[in-house]
Amino acid sequence: LAKTTQPISMDSYEGQEVNITCSHNNIATNDYITWYQQFPSQGPRFIIQGYKTKVTNEVASLFIPADRKSSTLSLPRVSLSDTAVYYCLVGGLRSSASKIIFGSGTRLSIRP
Amino acid sequence: EAGVVQSPRYKIIEKKQPVAFWCNPISGHNTLYWYRQNLGQGPELLIRYENEEAVDDSQLPKDRFSAERLKGVDSTLKIQPAELGDSAVYLCASSPRGGGGETQYFGPGTRLLVL
Repeated sequence: LAKTTQPISMDSYEGQEVNITCSHNNIATNDYITWYQQFPSQGPRFIIQGYKTKVTNEVASLFIPADRKSSTLSLPRVSLSDTAVYYCLVGGLRSSASKIIFGSGTRLSIRP
Repeated sequence: EAGVVQSPRYKIIEKKQPVAFWCNPISGHNTLYWYRQNLGQGPELLIRYENEEAVDDSQLPKDRFSAERLKGVDSTLKIQPAELGDSAVYLCASSPRGGGGETQYFGPGTRLLVL
């Protein structure tokens, strides 16, 4: 199984940069790494996806080392509205259901 | 562009009763997923469809759960009979092609409470 491990919770303050790391030691060659954000009473929402090195979009950056056994989601200058649960998901095209595992996620709390 | 639509948003039933959830994916998305999310946990994939075919239902408890996706568009997930442990949020998601490498677009979910 493609199991991921993330910190259960993190706290930070408005305006700070937040980095959330996910471990995925059993990642397969064709697996991508995708991060989702979930607010209470909503479904998860796509943030960013990558395969290797670094990916950046308008909301976040994703850093993936050469061995791909971990990844770090970086949120620049967080605000109160970034308080949510963040999930790291590892899987490839046509991954079986047993491989699409969200894990328990990281509960991020942003304070004023 | 309309997102994934799910109904009902909330459902309260007594144990041993049947219940059904409906999902309308984003137009043009061939792949549809049903997840179950327990309180404080991440979503757990139950079944994945590609068009009208259930390509992976290995995580679906088949003794009481069933699903269908007629004509490869809308989908229904059914539980019969419901048990207390089925209380959870049932999420539907869709993606253009499918697989763990594809971005999934989630609906708001149906919150089920079994009494």
